[in-house]
Amino acid sequence: AQKVTQAQTEISVVEKEDVTLDCVYETRDTTYYLFWYKQPPSGELVFLIRRNSFDEQNEISGRYSWNFQKSTSSFNFTITASQVVDSAVYFCALWGYGGSQGNLIFGKGTKLSVKP
Amino acid sequence: KAGVTQTPRYLIKTRGQQVTLSCSPISGHRSVSWYQQTPGQGLQFLFEYFSETQRNKGNFPGRFSGRQFSNSRSEMNVSTLELGDSALYLCASSLYSGGGAYEQYFGPGTRLTVT
Repeated sequence: AQKVTQAQTEISVVEKEDVTLDCVYETRDTTYYLFWYKQPPSGELVFLIRRNSFDEQNEISGRYSWNFQKSTSSFNFTITASQVVDSAVYFCALWGYGGSQGNLIFGKGTKLSVKP
Repeated sequence: KAGVTQTPRYLIKTRGQQVTLSCSPISGHRSVSWYQQTPGQGLQFLFEYFSETQRNKGNFPGRFSGRQFSNSRSEMNVSTLELGDSALYLCASSLYSGGGAYEQYFGPGTRLTVT
């Protein structure tokens, strides 16, 4: 079975702090994709990153960085120097070929509150 | 490029009624997926349509159905509404079949309340 666990339900930080959102996944597939999506209060999910299972290189995009470790089945997301606009719910998601194709599995989400 | 649009944005229905939600994908996108979001179950995949064909379906009862038109617009229908169907219904579009495996663009959702 495929599963995504985001153990942190809510995180609250003060602006300019660094924050890491954890994501642990389970899958038997050898080929799979991992995602992070952001859901601001407006409701629509915003794509942040897609990583395939064969690419363990970490990625940095501005203040955002992602650490993918297959050995621990984790795909963690770090926001450096957080800002109030980063306040949102963040979802980690998994898509694999072994399960029903097209079935994207989401974690429960981590609500991030960044206070000024 | 215009984003994904969903109509209506808010809907209140009574148990036993049926409802139809509409989604217009980004121009050129042929894959449309639907998701249900509730506080208890989180985000769950409903189904995906590509070129007017249902490509995959999540674990939902047959009361949930959908279709896609030749212009890639999609509708989902829920018949015999139950209180538990109250949720935010999100539509997402993608260029490719198997949309969940690729970058998806989400609409703002339709907030359905069943009383």
